[in-house]
Amino acid sequence: EDQVTQSPEALRLQEGESSSLNCSYTVSGLRGLFWYRQDPGKGPEFLFTLYSAGEEKEKERLKATLTKKESFLHITAPKPEDSATYLCAVQADSWGKLQFGAGTQVVVTP
Amino acid sequence: DAGVIQSPRHEVTEMGQEVTLRCKPISGHDYLFWYRQTMMRGLELLIYFNNNVPIDDSGMPEDRFSAKMPNASFSTLKIQPSEPRDSAVYFCASSLDPGQPQHFGDGTRLSIL
Repeated sequence: EDQVTQSPEALRLQEGESSSLNCSYTVSGLRGLFWYRQDPGKGPEFLFTLYSAGEEKEKERLKATLTKKESFLHITAPKPEDSATYLCAVQADSWGKLQFGAGTQVVVTP
Repeated sequence: DAGVIQSPRHEVTEMGQEVTLRCKPISGHDYLFWYRQTMMRGLELLIYFNNNVPIDDSGMPEDRFSAKMPNASFSTLKIQPSEPRDSAVYFCASSLDPGQPQHFGDGTRLSIL
């Protein structure tokens, strides 16, 4: 059975304290891995798509990487506005269907 | 650009009542998705459409749930009769094609008393 596991469940950071979030997956035939951020009371907001092992994407203080078994979301020198729940999702055998992990709740304090 | 628009934002109703959730996808997006988010189960895909046709409804929990897409700019998710365990946040998302990112609305928070 396909599985997507995110760790840690929650992360508390001081402003400027860099860290990484993990998304491990066991799926057959990965087509794409997606990262989203979700703010309270809002829908998930798209961040990155990664399609093949070794691929990297960057946006401001965020950088996503992909291997054959996991993806990392690195947050460099975070600011309070980076506080959110970060979700990863995989698209495997069936185009269109996304399977989401449970998310990592990140709190960045000044 | 207008994003995915969902209505209502909040719905509180009593058990046994019919509930209808509405979604307007981003113009030009051929794929529309309905998700449900709960603390226990996270974000789950219920059903998705391509060009107004349902493609996969394997995530629809029971026959009490039904979804329609009468045209390219409108979709509904209906629950009849509703039960307290249906309480959740329901999201609609759309995408240009199945490999492209899905863009989400802000959801409908549904409470069944």
